[in-house]
Amino acid sequence: SQQGEEDPQALSIQEGENATMNCSYKTSINNLQWYRQNSGRGLVHLILIRSNEREKHSGRLRVTLDTSKKSSSLLITASRAADTASYFCAPRGDYKLSFGAGTTVTVRA
Amino acid sequence: EAGVAQSPRYKIIEKRQSVAFWCNPISGHATLYWYQQILGQGPKLLIQFQNNGVVDDSQLPKDRFSAERLKGVDSTLKIQPAKLEDSAVYLCASTPAGTGNTEAFFGQGTRLTVV
Repeated sequence: SQQGEEDPQALSIQEGENATMNCSYKTSINNLQWYRQNSGRGLVHLILIRSNEREKHSGRLRVTLDTSKKSSSLLITASRAADTASYFCAPRGDYKLSFGAGTTVTVRA
Repeated sequence: EAGVAQSPRYKIIEKRQSVAFWCNPISGHATLYWYQQILGQGPKLLIQFQNNGVVDDSQLPKDRFSAERLKGVDSTLKIQPAKLEDSAVYLCASTPAGTGNTEAFFGQGTRLTVV
């Protein structure tokens, strides 16, 4: 199965704190993508990290990839209320785009 | 650039009725995906098209679900007859190609309630 498994299932943090979530997968990949979904909306692409990259930044987001451990992490720094959402990883080795159950992040004011 | 368009946004039907959802992907995007997302779960891939051909429909309940993508552009997903467990958000997404090296763009989804 190419889909990733996100951990933890849920995360509650105070505004301004950092949030870290992890993704594990089982197959070889070309890249790994992270998506965000606000309540009741479609998914939005956040960041793509290629298999030959180890770390990537985009604004307040930092993604790491360890292909030897088949895992990735997403760090959101200085969280805001607008970061309240579900986050999904999508490891991509071929044409499929599959998702796990995601990590639900709640940012408290 | 216009995004992925889906309609309707909401639909309520009685069980055993039929329903159809429509998706218009971003212009030029060859790959189109349909997902079913039940409340509290991640999106489950139902069917993937590459142009007007089916690449993967292994998780599509073919006894009641059907999908088509005529002319390789817009697509419709149909459920007939609907069951209570079909209540979910149906998401459509598109990518420029099927190689997986690009991001996917999602529509806002159609929320289906079967009563």
